[in-house]
Amino acid sequence: QLQLQESGPRLVKPSETLSLTCIVSGDSISSRGYYWGWIRQPPGKGLEWIGSIYYSGKTYYNPSLKSRVTISLDTSKNQFSLRLSSVTAADTAVYHCARPLQYAYGPFDSWGQGTLVTVSS
Amino acid sequence: DVQMTQSPSTLSASVGDRVTITCRASESVSSYLAWYQQKPGKVPNLLIYEASRSQTGDPSRFSGSGSGTEFTLTISSLQPDDFATYYCQQYNTWGTFGQGTKVEIK
Repeated sequence: QLQLQESGPRLVKPSETLSLTCIVSGDSISSRGYYWGWIRQPPGKGLEWIGSIYYSGKTYYNPSLKSRVTISLDTSKNQFSLRLSSVTAADTAVYHCARPLQYAYGPFDSWGQGTLVTVSS
Repeated sequence: DVQMTQSPSTLSASVGDRVTITCRASESVSSYLAWYQQKPGKVPNLLIYEASRSQTGDPSRFSGSGSGTEFTLTISSLQPDDFATYYCQQYNTWGTFGQGTKVEIK
């Protein structure tokens, strides 16, 4: 059974780079045809798709975040990562890694539990 | 960007009620529309995709309909476990979520 687990710093200073890793078990991130994604949810607010990466390494980013986001694969560790640069308080959110059922943009049927990242000095 | 607007934002209902939530897209998303249920402190759970396909594969009290720009999620008979927040998401052009509809106990 597929399991996703986010890891990374819970506190990031303004203007710095947020870095998270999603550790995948139960399937290979190199499996043909699969996408892997990141979604966030500010406390008490709705969901925002950040971006996705195909098993081949092709990336898809939310246009509103594209200039600050990098998603990458590490096939040797069976994990994928998110980097979000120049963070502000508005980037404080629970960050989920997830796997879409069909396409880069969704729908998302497998989710990590999420990790709250706070941007504060 | 495709904007997704859900209505109502909050819905008060009783156990056994038939409940309908609407999601409108600012432009056509064909049938690339999903519905999720989220309970407090929990991960969203995919209920419906391709506008009307049940994720569980079983007959369910949750059903979806629509195409293009207007979609509905219907709960045929509200159960105590169904009090939660529901989100629609279009995945035709990037991935945009609605703002959510909270279903509360009346």
